[in-house]
Amino acid sequence: GENVEQHPSTLSVQEGDSAVIKCTYSDSASNYFPWYKQELGKGPQLIIDIRSNVGEKKDQRIAVTLNKTAKHFSLHITETQPEDSAVYFCAAFSWNTGNQFYFGTGTSLTVIP
Amino acid sequence: DAGVIQSPRHEVTEMGQEVTLRCKPISGHNSLFWYRQTMMRGLELLIYFNNNVPIDDSGMPEDRFSAKMPNASFSTLKIQPSEPRDSAVYFCASSFSGQGDSPLHFGNGTRLTVT
Repeated sequence: GENVEQHPSTLSVQEGDSAVIKCTYSDSASNYFPWYKQELGKGPQLIIDIRSNVGEKKDQRIAVTLNKTAKHFSLHITETQPEDSAVYFCAAFSWNTGNQFYFGTGTSLTVIP
Repeated sequence: DAGVIQSPRHEVTEMGQEVTLRCKPISGHNSLFWYRQTMMRGLELLIYFNNNVPIDDSGMPEDRFSAKMPNASFSTLKIQPSEPRDSAVYFCASSFSGQGDSPLHFGNGTRLTVT
């Protein structure tokens, strides 16, 4: 089945700096890659997603890049703010492996004011 | 859009007791997923339904766990009997899976503590 690895597991940045979280996947048939933000006491919330026919997508301070050849995708947060502090999860969806989402293990991001 | 609604938000019970977690998916969504989240194992898929039919329950830990979806607007996850190792946060998520690549929408979870 699909295997999604996520790095780093923890990340601390100064307010205003950029944060980058990276994920790799194993199944070349995976074609949809959402990113989720989970705040304390809440469920994961979708923040951005990308499909395999696109290499990059941006939404204000958040961007995601996808390299299908290398099977990796990354989340970029620019001009970080304290409210960006949360746990971030990447995921990969594949029709090939059970028609379900496979999640990374999460990155705990702390933005230091 | 009220989002995915889960109840209760917190459940504390004694080992051996039956626990029932409830979920109301987003109206119009035809797929529903139950996940368990722990520090050790992260997010684990327990079971998912498509059009109210269980499709994959290979993640259900053992026979003590069961899930039902009697209609498009309601699902339950039952643990009987409960054990301390079942303590975790249980999430329900829904999506419209007409094409497959549509995002999951999560509820805020039920934090289960079994003593």
